Amino acid sequence: DADVTQTPRNRITKTGKRIMLECSQTKGHDRMYWYRQDPGLGLRLIYYSFDVKDINKGEISDGYSVSRQAQAKFSLSLESAIPNQTALYFCATSDPGQGLLFGPGTRLTVT
Amino acid sequence: AQRVTQPEKLLSVFKGAPVELKCNYSYSGSPELFWYVQYSRQRLQLLLRHISRESIKGFTADLNKGETSFHLKKPFAQEEDSAMYYCALTNTNAGKSTFGDGTTLTVKP
Repeated sequence: DADVTQTPRNRITKTGKRIMLECSQTKGHDRMYWYRQDPGLGLRLIYYSFDVKDINKGEISDGYSVSRQAQAKFSLSLESAIPNQTALYFCATSDPGQGLLFGPGTRLTVT
Repeated sequence: AQRVTQPEKLLSVFKGAPVELKCNYSYSGSPELFWYVQYSRQRLQLLLRHISRESIKGFTADLNKGETSFHLKKPFAQEEDSAMYYCALTNTNAGKSTFGDGTTLTVKP
């Protein structure tokens, strides 16, 4: 069974629509992250959370919001999707010093 | 500010040849460095941590603080090593990781 799961795996949506990407982990880690992957740009951090009451902006948080519903769940929302948010989105979790454990990714296309 | 640079976007070698994927970093503190690998159609996964000084799938990486580098090496590349490789630096205090842009390695038969 996968330690980190993401839903949906693929999504096509229209400009202006609200969309939520969900992430769950079974590792019992406090730290969770959302990254965006674009060709040639590596991974860029959108938001991160170190516990249920802790939410922090990453380097590219504009246009995104998050919710940490429980230790195991961390959702990413696009309030009004735009085409340049088309990307591959990864959720990750970690223990300090142990490196990141990634989900399978959500491929989002905004038309 | 922390920064990770992977100067090669693409790297191609023949099977059995040595391979080195370069990674340079800038960071004012004591860095934690990692290599991640993404095989085709698979999720990113941790390959190496500098702190563990281990060899995984024949790959090694040594932290050189003088040159601020953490290059990934393998003496004899295999076709199954073809993948995207990311170098990442973690800010211990802030708990955030910064990634390089990645290097796509192709190992030709």
